[in-house]
Amino acid sequence: DTAVSQTPKYLVTQMGNDKSIKCEQNLGHDTMYWYKQDSKKFLKIMFSYNNKELIINETVPNRFSPKSPDKAHLNLHINSLELGDSAVYFCASSRGLAGGYEQFFGPGTRLTVL
Amino acid sequence: AQSVTQLDSHVSVSEGTPVLLRCNYSSSYSPSLFWYVQHPNKGLQLLLKYTSAATLVKGINGFEAEFKKSETSFHLTKPSAHMSDAAEYFCVVSDQGDNDMRFGAGTRLTVKP
Repeated sequence: DTAVSQTPKYLVTQMGNDKSIKCEQNLGHDTMYWYKQDSKKFLKIMFSYNNKELIINETVPNRFSPKSPDKAHLNLHINSLELGDSAVYFCASSRGLAGGYEQFFGPGTRLTVL
Repeated sequence: AQSVTQLDSHVSVSEGTPVLLRCNYSSSYSPSLFWYVQHPNKGLQLLLKYTSAATLVKGINGFEAEFKKSETSFHLTKPSAHMSDAAEYFCVVSDQGDNDMRFGAGTRLTVKP
C-alpha cells in the first residue's frame, strides 16, 4: 500500500498553461507539505497544511495555490506556468507539525515546462 | 532560526569501505535532526532521527549518526558501503516545537565496485 501518492508522475506542458498535481496520504497524518526540488537537488518547502489550515507559506509566487479538500489530500495548482517552474515537486506528510516528526514523502512529480 | 550545512556535495567511496557524510547545524533551541536518503528518481526516505534521546542514533541499512552538541554536528556513518547505498543524502534540522524544517543542500554518495 502506497503511503503518500502523487499524480501524475510526469507532467510536460507549455508556458502559460495551468496545471494541477494531486497528493493523497493514507497514513492518517494531520500535516501535509509541498516541496520543490530543483535540478541541483536543492529542496525548498513551499507549503504545509495542518488539519486543512495553511501553516507555512514560504516566498512562493501566488501562481501556486495549495488546495486541501480534506486531511488526506493536498493538491497543488499552478497558474500561468513559467520555464523556471520546471522541477520535481514532492508531497509529504507527518503526524504533526515539523519539529521532531518524521516526514513521509511521495515519489515526486517531474514537471517540465516548454 | 535554524540552518544546516552539509560539508561535502559529493563523496565517493569503494564498496566495503567506511562512509562518512558530514553535517553541521545551527539551532536556537533543542534541535531535532534527521538524515534522509533519496535514491534516483525516488522520493525521500528517513534513515534516522535524533530527538534529544540517545546521542548515538542507529538507523536503517546499517547507518548511524552521532549528535555532538559541542561541535554542532550530526555526521552520518556506515562501516561498510554497499553498491545500493549510492544515492543523495539530506541532513535536516528542526527546532522542536517549531513548524520549520531546514534541509541541507544534499551529499551525493557514489560507491565504486
